[in-house]
This record gives sequence, structure tokens and C-alpha cells, in this order.
Amino acid sequence: KAGVTQTPRYLIKTRGQQVTLSCSPISGHRSVSWYQQTPGQGLQFLFEYFSETQRNKGNFPGRFSGRQFSNSRSEMNVSTLELGDSALYLCASSLARTGDGTDTQYFGPGTRLTVL
Amino acid sequence: AQSVTQLDSHVSVSEGTPVLLRCNYSSSYSPSLFWYVQHPNKGLQLLLKYTSAATLVKGINGFEAEFKKSETSFHLTKPSAHMSDAAEYFCVVSASGGGADGLTFGKGTHLIIQP
Repeated sequence: KAGVTQTPRYLIKTRGQQVTLSCSPISGHRSVSWYQQTPGQGLQFLFEYFSETQRNKGNFPGRFSGRQFSNSRSEMNVSTLELGDSALYLCASSLARTGDGTDTQYFGPGTRLTVL
Repeated sequence: AQSVTQLDSHVSVSEGTPVLLRCNYSSSYSPSLFWYVQHPNKGLQLLLKYTSAATLVKGINGFEAEFKKSETSFHLTKPSAHMSDAAEYFCVVSASGGGADGLTFGKGTHLIIQP
């Protein structure tokens, strides 16, 4: 079974631009979560989507948004990019929602975003 | 609310010696606990998971962890370190019952293996 895939793997943008990242979950997984990883803040939860609905959201500004499609693929969008948004963005998929007993999350390789 | 504290930011051991990575957690709900490993420029790989079935959990690559509720700990161990174990290790908590926090990660422990 194919793992979680993320595209693109690397991205360079300039301040003020917007960016869209894509995540394809493991087949059959309905939950997709997004995380930001930086050297200073570590791994931080952005949001979780389950059955096309945002279920949980971390403590990030409204510039960070996402959506999930009927095939469970998810996109994350960051508008008005800032230098501090440079990070590794990880996507994870699971069969069920976080907090369910079957909620093991499997991670993709990440998208490395650099904001200049 | 939930939190995770990894007690060591760096651990250095010699190849062939035991590994101990320490983790303490806090959770309002009955937690699920995980250890993930991240090799350089790679995503996160699940090592093992605790969900209240058994307190001693065996994972991949010879790793295991013991859940101790009285100590709120979930330390990761391996009897004999291998050079390929050098990586960043994350202790993670997920609150059962549909907590709103997603997964909460510790800051990570960088494991160094000396030849």
C-alpha cells in the first residue's frame, strides 16, 4: 500500500505571496492532519480534516487554511507569506479522527518551504 | 490540555550499548502515546504505540517502551544501539475522547551513536 505523499517536496516563495501544499493520504484513510516543523518551535499541530470537515485547529493565524476533498486528499494554503513561515510542513493520515483508539498517524516526507 | 516533556535534548551512547530516551506526559484524558523517529531530511516513522492494551510495548528495530501511569512516563529503550539508530526521536501524546489538540509532540531527543 502506498504511503502518504506530499507535493511539492521543495518550494521557494517570497514574502507576501501565497502557497498551496498538497497531501494524498494512504488509501482508505479519512483523516488528514497538518503540522509545521521549525528548529525553534519544533512540531506544531496546524489542523485536522476528517470527512471534508475541519475537526481540530491549532494555534495559528487565519493566514493558514486548508481543505479536504471527497477522495480525502487535502490541501493547505498559506496566504501573505512571512519569513517566519519557512518550515517543513508535514502531513499525516489516519483511519479515524485524532483521539479515537485507531488514530495512529502515518506521516509523509514533508514539503520544505523557504520564504525569502 | 496535554503536554509532553522529553527530558534530554541530546543523548550520546556507544554502539552496542543500551539506549534510554526519557519522556514524561500530561493529559486530561486517557492518552495514547507514541514514539516516532525522524532521520535527516525525512518524514516521521512510527516506532511504537501505547493504547492501554499492555504497559510494555514492543516496536520496530528492537525498540520498546514502558507506560508507567504512576510516574506519567513513557521511556523508550533499546538493549543494543546500532549506528543506524542515530536520528531525532519524538515522544507524542494524543488525548482519547476527541481532544482538540491533535497530536502533541515533545521537543525531540537527538540520539548520537559513537562508534
